Amino acid sequence: EDQVTQSPEALRLQEGESSSLNCSYTVSGLRGLFWYRQDPGKGPEFLFTLYSAGEEKEKERLKATLTKKESFLHITAPKPEDSATYLCAVQVKTSYDKVIFGPGTSLSVIP
Amino acid sequence: KAGVTQTPRYLIKTRGQQVTLSCSPISGHRSVSWYQQTPGQGLQFLFEYFSETQRNKGNFPGRFSGRQFSNSRSEMNVSTLELGDSALYLCASSLGLATSPGHNEQFFGPGTRLTVL
Repeated sequence: EDQVTQSPEALRLQEGESSSLNCSYTVSGLRGLFWYRQDPGKGPEFLFTLYSAGEEKEKERLKATLTKKESFLHITAPKPEDSATYLCAVQVKTSYDKVIFGPGTSLSVIP
Repeated sequence: KAGVTQTPRYLIKTRGQQVTLSCSPISGHRSVSWYQQTPGQGLQFLFEYFSETQRNKGNFPGRFSGRQFSNSRSEMNVSTLELGDSALYLCASSLGLATSPGHNEQFFGPGTRLTVL
């Protein structure tokens, strides 16, 4: 069964303390992997798309990488405004094409 | 450029009733996908519409249905509401099919919060 997991479930960082979030997937026919950020009470906001192992994308303090079985979202010197839930999603080719979201990592950055 | 809009933002219904939610995609986007988000299950894919046709669907009962109009606006209907249908319903739009390869990133609306009593 196609599955996407994320770890840790929750992460608390001091401002400036760099860390990484993990997204692991067990799917057949992976077409792409997406990262989103979701603030409370809002819809997810698109961050990155990754298509092939070895690919990397960067945006401000965020850097996403992809291997054959997982993706990492590295956060360098985070600020309080980076606090949010980070979701990854995979685009899968099966009998029905679909997008599967992981459960998310809730990040809190403390000043 | 205006983002994805959803109406209404909040709804309260009772068991057995039906509800219709509306989504207007970003101008030029032809695909609309619907998701259900709950604390326990996370974001779950309901279905995707492109050019007025349902192209993909998730594992939800037939009580959940949708349609798309010629202007790409979409509606989702839930009939015979159950308590477990209480959730945030999100729609997302993309240029092409969100499930197809290519730069078809999805842009989400703010959601409709449905409460079933």
